[in-house]
Amino acid sequence: ETGVTQTPRHLVMGMTNKKSLKCEQHLGHNAMYWYKQSAKKPLELMFVYNFKEQTENNSVPSRFSPECPNSSHLFLHLHTLQPEDSALYLCASSRMTSGSLDEQYFGPGTRLTVT
Amino acid sequence: AQSVAQPEDQVNVAEGNPLTVKCTYSVSGNPYLFWYVQYPNRGLQFLLKYITGDNLVKGSYGFEAEFNKSQTSFHLKKPSALVSDSALYFCAVRDPQGGKLIFGQGTELSVKP
Repeated sequence: ETGVTQTPRHLVMGMTNKKSLKCEQHLGHNAMYWYKQSAKKPLELMFVYNFKEQTENNSVPSRFSPECPNSSHLFLHLHTLQPEDSALYLCASSRMTSGSLDEQYFGPGTRLTVT
Repeated sequence: AQSVAQPEDQVNVAEGNPLTVKCTYSVSGNPYLFWYVQYPNRGLQFLLKYITGDNLVKGSYGFEAEFNKSQTSFHLKKPSALVSDSALYFCAVRDPQGGKLIFGQGTELSVKP
């Protein structure tokens, strides 16, 4: 798991707070992803970046704002979240663009609790 | 629409016995299929994938999966289960249109000594 790191691992925030999740991949990959994992539900793809450019926004509310300054780093900025946003947020990367057949490598996730 | 189904929320197996975790899919065009495993408090780890060729795909940790086109299935198998195999297993299919992965809801595998 050292290939994709995420910080923080746990985060508790109030609905009026602003926080950011960070993801870093050390694999030389060109595509990065944000997923939301809620209990008993399939993983939900949120955002996709290829070569720093956002190529997919899966109807995610604007209170989630991604940022990809370079191919190795990905952020998810959070503000005015709702309790139902509490979940495990997973970052992933893949070697080629998201249209390829390469497998994705996942980070350990950030467990987010919104109070 | 592309979809993946994992019909079992939980599978219980005794250590040493063979295990199967089921997955069926629905996709237009050629199916590209993946299995991932998630251990507690960890991210997903890639196990294996089917792109083309031999219907039996071998992957990490002794796992294999059999692609069956007529039954639209891609079941994960292992001849002899270990307690350490206990984890959450996800099947996924690649959307041939946009390229994104579509995941099943996961199957909790419990291997008892």
